[in-house]
Amino acid sequence: AQRVTQPEKLLSVFKGAPVELKCNYSYSGSPELFWYVQYSRQRLQLLLRHISRESIKGFTADLNKGETSFHLKKPFAQEEDSAMYYCALSRHNQGGKLIFGQGTELSVKP
Amino acid sequence: EPEVTQTPSHQVTQMGQEVILRCVPISNHLYFYWYRQILGQKVEFLVSFYNNEISEKSEIFDDQFSVERPDGSNFTLKIRSTKLEDSAMYFCASSHNEQFFGPGTRLTVL
Repeated sequence: AQRVTQPEKLLSVFKGAPVELKCNYSYSGSPELFWYVQYSRQRLQLLLRHISRESIKGFTADLNKGETSFHLKKPFAQEEDSAMYYCALSRHNQGGKLIFGQGTELSVKP
Repeated sequence: EPEVTQTPSHQVTQMGQEVILRCVPISNHLYFYWYRQILGQKVEFLVSFYNNEISEKSEIFDDQFSVERPDGSNFTLKIRSTKLEDSAMYFCASSHNEQFFGPGTRLTVL
C-alpha cells in the first residue's frame, strides 16, 4: 500500500531550538519525496524535494531508504517557521499524483 | 510570478445540487490535478488530467465527479449531485515538474 505517515499532529518548540518533523512512507518502488508547507491563510507550497538535495529556509531532509523515512530538520527554529508541514510522495515520472501525510502543525514560541 | 487561481473561494450549496469549481492553471503547465481535504483529514488526490483526458483517478472520483478543460485555460471540477460528505476544501494544482497549488475552494454542502 502507498502511504505517508506523519506521527505528530502538533509539534511545539521554542525559538532557537532544533526541530525534526517525522515522516515515514510505504511505497512499492522508488518514490520521489517532498515536503510541502502551508503558512497561515496561504496556499500549499513546495518546501523541498529529495532529489534536489537543497536546504531551503534552513530546512533539510534526507531520504533514508532503509528506514523508509524522510524527516525534515532545522537546527534553529524561527517564529516564522510556524505552519502546517505535509510530507508527500509521488512516482518519479512527471504527472504523478501526490500522496500526502496527515500533516504536522509546527508552532514556534518566542 | 504566475499562480494557479481558483474560483469561488467559498461555495455553499444544498445537498443534491450540482456545483462547478473552477481553476486556471499556470499557462505553460501540461498536467492538472484536483485534490480535496475534508476538515481535520489529509489532502487526498482525486484526479489528474493530461493531454485533454483523465490520466489517473482515485476511488473517491466516482460517477458523480467529472473534469473538463473547456477552453484551453480553465480546468473545472463538476460534482453532479452533492452529498453532505462532499464538504471539503478542493485544491487545484498544475505542474510541469513541480506541482503548484491554488488557494482552494471551500465547499459547504447543507
